This record gives sequence, structure tokens and C-alpha cells, in this order.
Amino acid sequence: TQLLEQSPQFLSIQEGENLTVYCNSSSVFSSLQWYRQEPGEGPVLLVTVVTGGEVKKLKRLTFQFGDARKDSSLHITAAQPGDTGLYLCAGDSIGMADKLIFGTGTRLQVFP
Amino acid sequence: DSGVTQTPKHLITATGQRVTLRCSPRSGDLSVYWYQQSLDQGLQFLIQYYNGEERAKGNILERFSAQQFPDLHSELNLSSLELGDSALYFCASSVDGSRDTQYFGPGTRLTVL
Repeated sequence: TQLLEQSPQFLSIQEGENLTVYCNSSSVFSSLQWYRQEPGEGPVLLVTVVTGGEVKKLKRLTFQFGDARKDSSLHITAAQPGDTGLYLCAGDSIGMADKLIFGTGTRLQVFP
Repeated sequence: DSGVTQTPKHLITATGQRVTLRCSPRSGDLSVYWYQQSLDQGLQFLIQYYNGEERAKGNILERFSAQQFPDLHSELNLSSLELGDSALYFCASSVDGSRDTQYFGPGTRLTVL
């Protein structure tokens, strides 16, 4: 069974701090996606990374795909209360037609 | 608003009962996916339909079934409900397969008492 482990599971920080969330697997993925989910809503896609070593930036969020396409990280600079939510990584696995494997999730709380 | 609608928003029922969850995909999307999200299992892929046909199956129990209708809306049927079936059920849609962006609906919260 393919597994995407995220760490940390929970993160509680003050506004203005930086943080990094990790998404790790022993499996190779053809692409990896990051979602944010707010209470009472479905996950919303933030970014898709497809090339090993790829780095994508979305304002204060920086996403990186590992060289071997087995892991990814999300770095948030100067976190704001609006960043609060559940962050999920999801892998599009090679050879597993049309299945997204979701990570275990990181719940982020940013206090003002 | 993702454009994906799900009804009902909340559902409370008793063990042993059967319920139907409904999903309308974004206009133009042919694929519909169902996911279950519980506190201890995270977001689990259940099943995918593409243009009315089942395309991929995940961790879907035999007590659960789904279908996609000619107008592309989909229903997820859950029967012989157990306490452990309490969860959020999400529908997502995409233009084609999972390599397209999936847009998630707001979910249906099922509580089995």
C-alpha cells in the first residue's frame, strides 16, 4: 500500500513565523499536488509539481518536489492567520491509473 | 465556490440504515470522484466514474456503491451503516482523468448513531 506521510501532524505558530511541512513516501510519483482545506469545505488545489527538483512559488508559499519524486515540502514565509487550515499533499502514482493518494495531513494554526 | 455541489450537507441516521449522497460536477467535467475523510484515516479515495462508467476503485466497502448518470451527476449509496461510517464524504470532479485538476465539493457530513 502506497503511503504519503506528512510531518508535522499539527503545527501551532505565531503570525510572522516561518514553517515547513514535509510529505514523504517510499514510492515514486509522476506528480504531486498540495491542497489546503478549511473547516466545512473541500480541499482546494494550491499547486502541482511534476519534475524532480522542481520549485514553485505562490506568494509566500514555496513548494519543492524531491529529485527522486518521492517527497515534497511546503515552506510558508511570514505566516498569517489566513494560512490556518489543513494542508494535504497528494501523489499521482505511476502505474496506478487515475488514483490520487492523499497524505496524512498537517493541521496548521496561526495565531495573531 | 468550486462549482461542484453536494447534497445534503449534513445527514444523521441510525446504524443499519441506508443513505444516498448526491454530487453534481462542474459544468463540462466528465469525471467524478468520491472520497471519505475521517479523523483516523484521512482522505481516502473510494471510486471514480468517467462519463458514466466506473474507471477506478479505491478503498470502497462492498456495502457502498456508486453510479454516474447520463447527465453526469453521481450518487454514492451507503447501506447497512455502521458507526465507523461516520465521516465527511467529498465528491470531486475533473475534466478527464486524475491528471487533471480535481475540484472538490463542500462535502456531506454523515453521522451514524
